[in-house]
Amino acid sequence: RKEVEQDPGPFNVPEGATVAFNCTYSNSASQSFFWYRQDCRKEPKLLMSVYSSGNEDGRFTAQLNRASQYISLLIRDSKLSDSATYLCVCAGNMLTFGGGTRLMVKP
Amino acid sequence: GAGVSQSPSNKVTEKGKDVELRCDPISGHTALYWYRQSLGQGLEFLIYFQGNSAPDKSGLPSDRFSAERTGGSVSTLTIQRTQQEDSAVYLCASSLGLAVYEQYFGPGTRLTVT
Repeated sequence: RKEVEQDPGPFNVPEGATVAFNCTYSNSASQSFFWYRQDCRKEPKLLMSVYSSGNEDGRFTAQLNRASQYISLLIRDSKLSDSATYLCVCAGNMLTFGGGTRLMVKP
Repeated sequence: GAGVSQSPSNKVTEKGKDVELRCDPISGHTALYWYRQSLGQGLEFLIYFQGNSAPDKSGLPSDRFSAERTGGSVSTLTIQRTQQEDSAVYLCASSLGLAVYEQYFGPGTRLTVT
C-alpha cells in the first residue's frame, strides 16, 4: 500500500462546478500536510498548507481528518485555469507525495 | 529573486553512459531534495540533504545513483551506467529547512536514455 494515495482521475467538470479530492495517508506520525499543484510538463508549486482546523484560500478549502487519516481539497466555482494535477503531500521526517489527481475543467 | 535552477534542461544519452545533473538551490535554503517523475506518475523521492548532516539516501533506487552537495549549496546527481528505465524528469527542490517548510522546485531535467 502506498503511503499517500489519491484517485488519479481525471475529474472532468464544467466551469463553475464544485469539485472535491480526497487523499489518504498511512503514516500516523505525519505532522504537516500540503496540496501542491502541477501543470502539464511543469514543476509542482505549493497551492496551500492544510491545517487541523481546516483552512480556506479564496475558492479553495482544505481539510484534515487525523482520525481517519485523510485530507481533502474543495474547489468552488471551477475555472478553466484550475485544470492541473493536484498533489497531496504529507510530511513527517520527509515529504511524501501522492500520485496526484488530474482535474480537467471544460468550458 | 532567483528560484531553483537545474541543468541541463534536457539530456539524451545512450544506455550505459554516465550522466550528471546539476541543481542550484535558492540562496539560504539549507534543505535540498531530488525527486524523479516518470511520465504520468507521481514524484519519487530520491535523496535529501539538510545542512551539514549526512544525506538521507533511502530513496535511491540502486547503487548506480549517487548525489553530492558541495559547500551546502549546489548539488549534483550522478547516474552511472544509465538504463532505459532511468528515463524520467529529475526534479530538484529546496526549502528553508525541515520538511514542514514549502519546497520550491526547479524546472527539472528531462533525461532520455536510448
